[in-house]
Amino acid sequence: DTAVSQTPKYLVTQMGNDKSIKCEQNLGHDTMYWYKQDSKKFLKIMFSYNNKELIINETVPNRFSPKSPDKAHLNLHINSLELGDSAVYFCASSQGRVSSYEQYFGPGTRLTVT
Amino acid sequence: AQSVAQPEDQVNVAEGNPLTVKCTYSVSGNPYLFWYVQYPNRGLQFLLKYITGDNLVKGSYGFEAEFNKSQTSFHLKKPSALVSDSALYFCAVRDGNNAGKSTFGDGTTLTVKP
Repeated sequence: DTAVSQTPKYLVTQMGNDKSIKCEQNLGHDTMYWYKQDSKKFLKIMFSYNNKELIINETVPNRFSPKSPDKAHLNLHINSLELGDSAVYFCASSQGRVSSYEQYFGPGTRLTVT
Repeated sequence: AQSVAQPEDQVNVAEGNPLTVKCTYSVSGNPYLFWYVQYPNRGLQFLLKYITGDNLVKGSYGFEAEFNKSQTSFHLKKPSALVSDSALYFCAVRDGNNAGKSTFGDGTTLTVKP
């Protein structure tokens, strides 16, 4: 029983392509997140949704577009991929948007842009 | 603005010795503090958190952390390190007065040698 799952696990694509990463959580959580971890392992939040509503939208190129069809799913679509987009992307969820809740992370999607 | 500093990129300890991974923070409201661990090619796993109450909090795998308000620190500790504790550790802070984003430190790689 995977709590937070992501597909695909690996994604290799060429510059200029459009790709999507999917995330699902079966924890019954209300809040979901996308993080980017770069090659130095630095972790930065990109977006957060609470009950399908966008609540955090960091300074991310508008080529990145999140979409939450329901509170158990949060997808990330990336247009016109660039070399600098190569990273590991983590989805996470928490019980709610309250600050005291810890986050549960998915296994990550390693995106390589060539 | 909130921030987290993990002053050591790497911590090396011998198995059986005590370990400390340091974290200091800055936040305008009440600090909610978290420790996460990341094993190679895995997502982050929640270890423990401080929200309020006792300054010493205990978490998974025998880890504990001490909240020190005057020093704005939340160091992670374990009395006796195991080789299997070797991983990347992240400290994170959220503002308890504002249901906003988590800010993560840059991570500390812990290596426990037999």
